[in-house]
Formats: sequence, structure tokens, C-alpha cells
Amino acid sequence: EAGVVQSPRYKIIEKKQPVAFWCNPISGHNTLYWYRQNLGQGPELLIRYENEEAVDDSQLPKDRFSAERLKGVDSTLKIQPAELGDSAVYLCASSLRPDTSLAKNIQYFGAGTRLSVL
Amino acid sequence: ILNVEQSPQSLHVQEGDSTNFTCSFPSSNFYALHWYRWETAKSPEALFVMTLNGDEKKKGRISATLNTKEGYSYLYIKGSQPEDSATYLCAFGDHSSASKIIFGSGTRLSIRP
Repeated sequence: EAGVVQSPRYKIIEKKQPVAFWCNPISGHNTLYWYRQNLGQGPELLIRYENEEAVDDSQLPKDRFSAERLKGVDSTLKIQPAELGDSAVYLCASSLRPDTSLAKNIQYFGAGTRLSVL
Repeated sequence: ILNVEQSPQSLHVQEGDSTNFTCSFPSSNFYALHWYRWETAKSPEALFVMTLNGDEKKKGRISATLNTKEGYSYLYIKGSQPEDSATYLCAFGDHSSASKIIFGSGTRLSIRP
């Protein structure tokens, strides 16, 4: 079974440029997450989707960040314009429905996109 | 604000030695505690998810315990090997949202051959 696939793996851009990340979750996983991991810190949730609906985007900086999950499968996360402080690893994860008791919300992660803003 | 703390921040261990580290989390409204291992250039990988006070989980040389009343979990590695070098993350979930988990900053483990 294929895992969570993210692309690109690395991205280097200049500040004020736009950037987009793509995520393909595990087949059958309804819940999709985008996290940002800054150096020396744990992953922080940016947005969570249940199917195509964003159910928690309270931590997403909406002035420059946007996300979509069309058809409830793949998702893209966009930053426009990027700032120096956006340099981080952006992780995508997916899981089964939260009420699937056996799954207990185990999240399966992609390898992440490491973004460097110069 | 939910606070999940891990200690130590980093750890250097000689190959063959055993080690352990700690995750502290809020003791109220507990739902689940997760441990993940994140090797460099790879995906974070789920090790354990624990839900019951007193739970002990084991996977090969790695084991974890859970105390929900006092809000801590220990991860143990017996006979460390170079392949154990990774960042170990714990994450806490409470009943307010079964899907949302809060990560600690991780313990970075390096095994010296």
C-alpha cells in the first residue's frame, strides 16, 4: 500500500515569491492534515480536512496561506507571498475517520517538503 | 493552551546502552498519547498509541508506559543500535477533538557506534 506522498521534497525560493505544496493521502483516509515544523520544534497543525471540508483552520495564517482539497482526496497548500519566517518543513498526514476506535487516530505522514525562503 | 513537553531535548548514547526519555502532557480530559519516530529525510512513523492509564506497549527493543493521572509517558530503548538514531515525538490528544493531536518538540537521539 502506498503511503502519503508529498511533492516537492525541497523548495528554495526568494521572499515574496509564491510556492505550492502537494499531498496525496493514503487511499480511503478521510482526514488530511497539514503541519508546519520549525527547527527545534514539534509539528504544528495548520489545517485539518474531513473529506473536502476544512474543519480546523484556526492556525492557518490566512493572509498569505491557502489550502484546498478538491474532491476530498489530494490537497495543495499555497503560500503567497512567502516570507523569510516561512522557512520550515511542511508535513502532510492522513488518517481514518476519528470515530474508528481501532485506528485511534493514528496519523500517517509523508516525508515533508523542506522550504527555504531566501 | 495545551502544553506537551519532552525531555531531554537531545541525547547521545553509546551503542548497546539502554536509554529512556519523557513526555509530559495535561492530565485532564485525556484521550490518547502517541509516540512517533522521525528519522532524517524520512516520514514520521507511528510507534505507539496508548489510551489507558497504566498501558505498556512494546515493539522490539522499544517500549512505552503511560500514566494519565499524573500526565507523563516514558519511552524506553533497550540495547541502543545506530538505526535507533532519530527524533522521537510524542503527541497528546484530548476529548475535545479526537482528530487533533498536539506534538511535543521531540527528543533527538544519537547513537554512538
